[in-house]
Amino acid sequence: NAGVTQTPKFRVLKTGQSMTLLCAQDMNHEYMYWYRQDPGMGLRLIHYSVGEGTTAKGEVPDGYNVSRLKKQNFLLGLESAAPSQTSVYFCASSYSATSGSISYEQYFGPGTRLTVT
Amino acid sequence: GQNIDQPTEMTATEGAIVQINCTYQTSGFNGLFWYQQHAGEAPTFLSYNVLDGLEEKGRFSSFLSRSKGYSYLLLKELQMKDSASYLCAVTPRGGSTLGRLYFGRGTQLTVWP
Repeated sequence: NAGVTQTPKFRVLKTGQSMTLLCAQDMNHEYMYWYRQDPGMGLRLIHYSVGEGTTAKGEVPDGYNVSRLKKQNFLLGLESAAPSQTSVYFCASSYSATSGSISYEQYFGPGTRLTVT
Repeated sequence: GQNIDQPTEMTATEGAIVQINCTYQTSGFNGLFWYQQHAGEAPTFLSYNVLDGLEEKGRFSSFLSRSKGYSYLLLKELQMKDSASYLCAVTPRGGSTLGRLYFGRGTQLTVWP
């Protein structure tokens, strides 16, 4: 049981390049989230998904796209990276409909440290 | 909207007790989480309060007052390993925001020997 995993762990991009961050969870969770964390700003929600095939915007969605084609995976895409997107990105998941209890505790992946030069 | 406020930094000495406060104003409230985050690591779950009162879990306790929009995390018998950022997060009541967490900016706790 790996929990929530993220790839890659580190990445350096040049301005204008694109990339995709992959998040995978093996807890059969319905909900998945992408956050960014910057010094002094706390965790800010980029996009989230409440089920396979669904996505929704969070607080800071501009410049990012997401897809949830499979229940266990949630992809975050940067189409044209900008220095302002230098950050630590965390994926999280929550809520199992089959667990017998309603809990919205979020489980976090280890993070991806992205630098855009 | 959501407004969550907690102190930016706190310091304490080993063996002491520290209380980290969190106040919130939300358009709908279901419960409040506390997470711990060590430098360079992911946040990890500490506690979840839905009802008013104190929840105790070992050296850590969390309190909630729904009517006052107030919570605190109490850490007893502080250890050096408790040096971390402590994040307060609220979860709204149902609807389109079900399952979302709204995080405060975190309180950086430093424990001195």
